[in-house]
Amino acid sequence: EIVLTQSPATLSLSPGERATLSCRASLSVSSTLAWYQQKPGQAPRLLIYGAFNRATGIPARFSGSGSGTDFTLTISSLEPEDFAVYYCQQRWLSGTFGPGTKVDIK
Amino acid sequence: EVQLVESGGGLIQPGRSLRLSCTGSGFSFDDYPMSWVRQAPGKGLEWVGFIRSKVYGGAAEYAASVRGRFSISRDDSKSIAYLQMNSLKNEDTGMYYCTREGGNGDSHYWGQGTLVTVSS
Repeated sequence: EIVLTQSPATLSLSPGERATLSCRASLSVSSTLAWYQQKPGQAPRLLIYGAFNRATGIPARFSGSGSGTDFTLTISSLEPEDFAVYYCQQRWLSGTFGPGTKVDIK
Repeated sequence: EVQLVESGGGLIQPGRSLRLSCTGSGFSFDDYPMSWVRQAPGKGLEWVGFIRSKVYGGAAEYAASVRGRFSISRDDSKSIAYLQMNSLKNEDTGMYYCTREGGNGDSHYWGQGTLVTVSS
């Protein structure tokens, strides 16, 4: 099983700041990595697929990068609605999610 | 508009069976792989498994935690994907989401989920 590790567990930032979230895979997953956002009481929403492709309707402030085992989700300038939990997922070998990074208001 | 609606959740005793359904609309259901993801209360997301479209053989794959107990099937004529859950355990409690996958297995669309509670 491929294990995904996300860091940090919690990121405390203010609106307007830049957020950098990390996801590391225990084995190479090529570029088959996705990022999701989940708010309380809601289903997750796809943000980034294929490591760097924005999903339909996702604002340009969200960007993804990386390949192999190390990936990054960057939110260039946090908006109030961006405070949420973010998960990475690989589907290169079966499927696994990372434990999540909570972005909360400082 | 793509819509996925899960149903079939509820309170069930350990050891019993339950079948969840996911009804899709607004797209050509038979063209897409479908997956199930679950979330225990207050915890993170867990991939449960997926089923390929018939064009790609229609086979299913499962997470190790549910393999041998859960099975996924699909009825493309009704645009429904099923999750059959047998020998349920307390740790199977959670919200179960149905998703429509894209080319690399990413879940582009999600239902609102159906809650399964396994308890005596």
